[in-house]
Amino acid sequence: NAGVTQTPKFRVLKTGQSMTLLCAQDMNHEYMYWYRQDPGMGLRLIHYSVGEGTTAKGEVPDGYNVSRLKKQNFLLGLESAAPSQTSVYFCASSTRTGSYEQYFGPGTRLTVT
Amino acid sequence: ELKVEQNPLFLSMQEGKNYTIYCNYSTTSDRLYWYRQDPGKSLESLFVLLSNGAVKQEGRLMASLDTKARLSTLHITAAVHDLSATYFCAVVGGFNDMRFGAGTRLTVKP
Repeated sequence: NAGVTQTPKFRVLKTGQSMTLLCAQDMNHEYMYWYRQDPGMGLRLIHYSVGEGTTAKGEVPDGYNVSRLKKQNFLLGLESAAPSQTSVYFCASSTRTGSYEQYFGPGTRLTVT
Repeated sequence: ELKVEQNPLFLSMQEGKNYTIYCNYSTTSDRLYWYRQDPGKSLESLFVLLSNGAVKQEGRLMASLDTKARLSTLHITAAVHDLSATYFCAVVGGFNDMRFGAGTRLTVKP
């Protein structure tokens, strides 16, 4: 049981390049989330999904797109990376009942030059 | 809009001392979470508080929730070096929209 995994762990992009971050969970959770964490700040929600095929905007969605084609996977895309998107990205998942406690992946450190 | 404020943002403690971290939030919520983060690591869940008056304890940490005051506290008893980390509270606003505080960076000195 790996929990929540993220790939890649590190990435350096040039301004204007695109990339996709992959999040996978093996806990059969319905809900999945993408956050970014900047130095000295808490996590901010980018997008989330309440089920396969559905996504919604969070607090800071601009410049990102997401897709949830399979229940266990949640993809975060940057179409044209900007230096302001340099951050650590965390994925999380939770059930849709009970405590809704979120379980976090290890993070992806992205640098945009 | 839901806002979450933690204080203090930085806390340096001596081993063996007690202290409390405060988490205030701006709108009604009945779900509050405390997480711990070590440098360069992910977030580890500490407590889930789901009702007014909820109190949970694990080792030297105790968390409580007062939904009427929109306040949660994380109390540290007899701090030890291993507790050095950043602690975040998070509150669920709208539909599973979790908002985090800025975090409290705790350093416990011998």
